[in-house]
Amino acid sequence: QKEVEQDPGPLSVPEGAIVSLNCTYSNSAFQYFMWYRQYSRKGPELLMYTYSSGNKEDGRFTAQVDKSSKYISLFIRDSQPSDSATYLCAMSVNQGGKLIFGQGTELSVKP
Amino acid sequence: SAVISQKPSRDICQRGTSLTIQCQVDSQVTMMFWYRQQPGQSLTLIATANQGSEATYESGFVIDKFPISRPNLTFSTLTVSNMSPEDSSIYLCSAAQAGTNYGYTFGSGTRLTVV
Repeated sequence: QKEVEQDPGPLSVPEGAIVSLNCTYSNSAFQYFMWYRQYSRKGPELLMYTYSSGNKEDGRFTAQVDKSSKYISLFIRDSQPSDSATYLCAMSVNQGGKLIFGQGTELSVKP
Repeated sequence: SAVISQKPSRDICQRGTSLTIQCQVDSQVTMMFWYRQQPGQSLTLIATANQGSEATYESGFVIDKFPISRPNLTFSTLTVSNMSPEDSSIYLCSAAQAGTNYGYTFGSGTRLTVV
């Protein structure tokens, strides 16, 4: 069993839809949770950074962490074609410690 | 957050040769990491580059195959040695500042093809 599980998709939605991306994990020691966006042929770009449980909102993006269920989510509101990319969840035990990634979910937003 | 320059951006190499990838950060950072991303796959950590000491390698990766240097707090190199076609992949450098909430920054990657 992988430490971090993420549905690889692909996921296709119409423009303006709400997108929900999810990851589950097995290591209860993870405390720092991140979502990255990766465009084709580019390095990952940090979208959201969350410590412990709770919600964090930044514009159209909301990250949720439920440590009791070992489950994290990223919601994208009013999705745009420019949101089409691969979204990777990642987590670490310590701040600045090694990062463990999910497999990534490929998202396509159709105009 | 830090900005990372990674080079080369891509290369095609003959099997049996070695390639050194450079990673330059625009500010001093405590942590630097090297990842591999195979086509259509996620990122796998190769090693943590430690300043002034030997790198810490993850299971399945060894120093003879992936020697790493980190002479100071802004620069690191990864060498892929004695390459085979199975080494064809994207190699990514990452940096983080321990004790901050800035997350991890990534370079744009080196796309390596071994023929």
